[in-house]
Amino acid sequence: DAKTTQPNSMESNEEEPVHLPCNHSTISGTDYIHWYRQLPSQGPEYVIHGLTSNVNNRMASLAIAEDRKSSTLILHRATLRDAAVYYCILTSGNTGKLIFGQGTTLQVKP
Amino acid sequence: GAVVSQHPSWVICKSGTSVKIECRSLDFQATTMFWYRQFPKQSLMLMATSNEGSKATYEQGVEKDKFLINHASLTLSTLTVTSAHPEDSSFYICSTQRWGNTEAFFGQGTRLTVV
Repeated sequence: DAKTTQPNSMESNEEEPVHLPCNHSTISGTDYIHWYRQLPSQGPEYVIHGLTSNVNNRMASLAIAEDRKSSTLILHRATLRDAAVYYCILTSGNTGKLIFGQGTTLQVKP
Repeated sequence: GAVVSQHPSWVICKSGTSVKIECRSLDFQATTMFWYRQFPKQSLMLMATSNEGSKATYEQGVEKDKFLINHASLTLSTLTVTSAHPEDSSFYICSTQRWGNTEAFFGQGTRLTVV
């Protein structure tokens, strides 16, 4: 499975945008880029995923570099409820397996 | 509402006993479900893939005789931790997807404490 690299932690102020980076230099052509987040003592929650084009949904936006070797999860206005560990994961094929890295712990300051 | 229901949310058991954790897919039939384990301040570690009607596939280093997985129906997978020891204390989480490369749905997790 291709590996991803994320910063261990990031801080943001409430109501400001947050850009969470992810490097995946060994990504293959069929790998999808998924983002999940996990609040304390809960199971992970899907945020967004994409293959090549940028994606938007009600939770966030996903910006994918043209060479696909990196991507950025964008939270447009951080709230205190967005404080969580964010995981960037590559998936390929139809196995459904998700291999989690260490993720980025996002702190949101009021 | 929840797509995957996991039960119980927490359990305390004595060393040497067995504990069963259930994972139900509420919204769709799930031929494949996944079981993860998470120790404090660590990431999720995939333990096994639960396949409906066939044997589970275990990740390297996971003892299949200790972590028994049964996926007898399209909506239910169970993980039984047999002869539990304190080092098995962890947060166990299940997940499923409608099909590969789409959104995965996770249970709320089960906090197991072995005393």
